[in-house]
Amino acid sequence: AQSVTQLGSHVSVSEGALVLLRCNYSSSVPPYLFWYVQYPNQGLQLLLKYTSAATLVKGINGFEAEFKKSETSFHLTKPSAHMSDAAEYFCALTRGGGADGLTFGKGTHLIIQP
Amino acid sequence: ETGVTQTPRHLVMGMTNKKSLKCEQHLGHNAMYWYKQSAKKPLELMFVYSLEERVENNSVPSRFSPECPNSSHLFLHLHTLQPEDSALYLCASSLQSSGANVLTFGAGSRLTVL
Repeated sequence: AQSVTQLGSHVSVSEGALVLLRCNYSSSVPPYLFWYVQYPNQGLQLLLKYTSAATLVKGINGFEAEFKKSETSFHLTKPSAHMSDAAEYFCALTRGGGADGLTFGKGTHLIIQP
Repeated sequence: ETGVTQTPRHLVMGMTNKKSLKCEQHLGHNAMYWYKQSAKKPLELMFVYSLEERVENNSVPSRFSPECPNSSHLFLHLHTLQPEDSALYLCASSLQSSGANVLTFGAGSRLTVL
């Protein structure tokens, strides 16, 4: 069985501050890991993915995430928050191979304070 | 039109109605998915089609009936739904590979059951 846990259903940061969204996973096989973002009234958009090529993954909009096997974590960071980053963020994993659907966390709502 | 397109974007139906959600992808993908997104719950994988064959059905009630006539189109037929079925229904597609399965999502169909 596999699962994804996102710590904190809501995270609030000031504009210009560091963004840190936490994700821990459980998987019986080495997983592929993803972060998706969802803006209001829209579908999910891929931010970045970990595919075992490099532990530090850079994505769109200045986000990056680091895979730490020893901590079973894949936390998402951005050095300086922008108002446009306000959205719902989802961490997800898959075993890979075939048409394997993603297992998602519950999501973290990121609030940016002016 | 490119990407994954879902219609209708909004649907209101009574419990005795029959309606359908439609999903279309123009990405050359060969796998398609239906997810249910409810408030305060993780995204739930409902159905997976690979090469137009259903490969996964996560114990979804029979009042939801999927159809995949070809690799570009996916439908979700709805009948005698319950108010708890009100949710955002997301369609996604991917290109099957031996590696990471990256899903591309549509904007969703917001369903309200009265």
